[in-house]
Amino acid sequence: GQNIDQPTEMTATEGAIVQINCTYQTSGFNGLFWYQQHAGEAPTFLSYNVLDGLEEKGRFSSFLSRSKGYSYLLLKELQMKDSASYLCAVSPTDSWGKLQFGAGTQVVVTP
Amino acid sequence: DTEVTQTPKHLVMGMTNKKSLKCEQHMGHRAMYWYKQKAKKPPELMFVYSYEKLSINESVPSRFSPECPNSSLLNLHLHALQPEDSALYLCASSQANSGGYEQFFGPGTRLTVL
Repeated sequence: GQNIDQPTEMTATEGAIVQINCTYQTSGFNGLFWYQQHAGEAPTFLSYNVLDGLEEKGRFSSFLSRSKGYSYLLLKELQMKDSASYLCAVSPTDSWGKLQFGAGTQVVVTP
Repeated sequence: DTEVTQTPKHLVMGMTNKKSLKCEQHMGHRAMYWYKQKAKKPPELMFVYSYEKLSINESVPSRFSPECPNSSLLNLHLHALQPEDSALYLCASSQANSGGYEQFFGPGTRLTVL
């Protein structure tokens, strides 16, 4: 199985940077996804990492280290609308199509 | 068309009722998924369909019955549910069910079982 750990909540001010860490333990790994979910809405895709390194998409970047079982999502120039839950999800190789989600990190952006 | 649609948005049902949730996508995706999500928890996978065949059932109780009539549609038939089944039910789709494909989520059906 997979253990996926991420912090429960993080608070930051508008314009700041926040880094959400995710660690995982898995017997097989086929990539890691980050999703954003606003309260009462569906998750929306942010990023996918399968190789080590940094993927940058505008204000959001995601990093992966396969050897360390570690990823982070970096949110820059925070805006109020970034207040949401951020879900780390691992795609295991032993169960095609199954995404194993972490518990989610609630990011609160304050003025 | 890059969205997954779900109906109804809200559903209230008694424990003796039979109802169905519907999901539709027109992106040509061949994998479709049902998830259950409780408040402040991550989505939990229930079922995966690949090329219209059930490929994963996460030991879901038989009171939940999935159906995939064609490559664009996914249903979840509900019968004799319990109050603890109240949750947000999310449908998702992806190009295939092999790893690395982004899953697109629908807006969900908010189910309340009385």
